[in-house]
Amino acid sequence: GESVGLHLPTLSVQEGDNSIINCAYSNSASDYFIWYKQESGKGPQFIIDIRSNMDKRQGQRVTVLLNKTVKHLSLQIAATQPGDSAVYFCAEIPSRGGNKLTFGTGTQLKVEL
Amino acid sequence: NAGVTQTPKFRILKIGQSMTLQCTQDMNHNYMYWYRQDPGMGLKLIYYSVGAGITDKGEVPNGYNVSRSTTEDFPLRLELAAPSQTSVYFCASSSRTSGKETQYFGPGTRLLVL
Repeated sequence: GESVGLHLPTLSVQEGDNSIINCAYSNSASDYFIWYKQESGKGPQFIIDIRSNMDKRQGQRVTVLLNKTVKHLSLQIAATQPGDSAVYFCAEIPSRGGNKLTFGTGTQLKVEL
Repeated sequence: NAGVTQTPKFRILKIGQSMTLQCTQDMNHNYMYWYRQDPGMGLKLIYYSVGAGITDKGEVPNGYNVSRSTTEDFPLRLELAAPSQTSVYFCASSSRTSGKETQYFGPGTRLLVL
């Protein structure tokens, strides 16, 4: 079946460095992607989204890049802070999937002081 | 707005017992969802609802039931608890007025079945 997966289970970065979290998706019909942040003991929190007609979208300290050719999604966090430590999930909605999200496994981001 | 609220926060059940996980949202969202998250894994959709009186199965519906009598509430029912249902359960809601909208999640209910 279709799946959304992440390349690395754990990413460690130094405070102040930029972080890049990657995600591969297999459903070429997906047209909407979301990045969620999940802190320990809490529910997922929306970070940023992107539609398939875009290649890049920027938010506050975060940028999402979409490469439809290789079905790859990335989340870039600028000047990573200790508060960024969390698990990050990418999720996708197929064009005919209504509003049902398919989540990847997640990447644990650890920020070292 | 409180957003999405869930009760209880934590519960221990014995095998075969039943319980209802409560979910309420005050954002007037028409879509609501139930997910489960196993340790170190992503979220899997159990059931969802596109409006009051309408529910549908997600990826892992077996062992669960839902109802949606009001826009605000979307309870999840476990009739015969099994150890495989030990997980963290998240409720979410979204408003799909045009295109696809972001889902907002509650804080979760941690369930342990022994």
